[in-house]
Amino acid sequence: AQTVTQSQPEMSVQEAETVTLSCTYDTSENNYYLFWYKQPPSRQMILVIRQEAYKQQNATENRFSVNFQKAAKSFSLKISDSQLGDTAMYFCAFMKQMNAGNMLTFGGGTRLMVKP
Amino acid sequence: GAGVSQSPRYKVAKRGQDVALRCDPISGHVSLFWYQQALGQGPEFLTYFQNEAQLDKSGLPSDRFFAERPEGSVSTLKIQRTQQEDSAVYLCASSYEELPGNTIYFGEGSWLTVV
Repeated sequence: AQTVTQSQPEMSVQEAETVTLSCTYDTSENNYYLFWYKQPPSRQMILVIRQEAYKQQNATENRFSVNFQKAAKSFSLKISDSQLGDTAMYFCAFMKQMNAGNMLTFGGGTRLMVKP
Repeated sequence: GAGVSQSPRYKVAKRGQDVALRCDPISGHVSLFWYQQALGQGPEFLTYFQNEAQLDKSGLPSDRFFAERPEGSVSTLKIQRTQQEDSAVYLCASSYEELPGNTIYFGEGSWLTVV
């Protein structure tokens, strides 16, 4: 079974600053996918960024980038130029390759507050 | 529709009451998932459908939980004889195909409070 751990229950950052959210995972799989989801108070999970384990290059999406360390099983999210709208819960998630049903395993979440 | 739609958005049930939560996935999406998210925690997998077939129900916490998707589109999650520990947000998600890593789209969830 896979496990995903987010060791920071809460984080805060000043607007326009950079913040890094941590995530570690445990798996015996070699090929898999990792995700960061944002969950605002509306509760809808919004995909922020994804990383395929077979790719060495770290994924980037505008102000969001990841530091994927496969050997260390670490997958951190860096948010640059933080904006007030980034305030939300952030969940790291793991998906192994399956033939039927790509189930996500989520971490416990990190509450990020961006301060003006 | 434009996104995954869930109803009701909010439900208060008395302990022992039966509830039914509806999910309308994105049109044409083959895969449909239900997750349970307790307060302050990450979502946990409940069950998975590929079209009308329920291929994985390993996450359903007890036999009081039942899900169906009879025509391969709309799905209903039913909870019988609700208990306080069933209080959670129930998230539905869908994806176009079962291909590994395919983007999964989530609804806004149904908030269930059992009193």
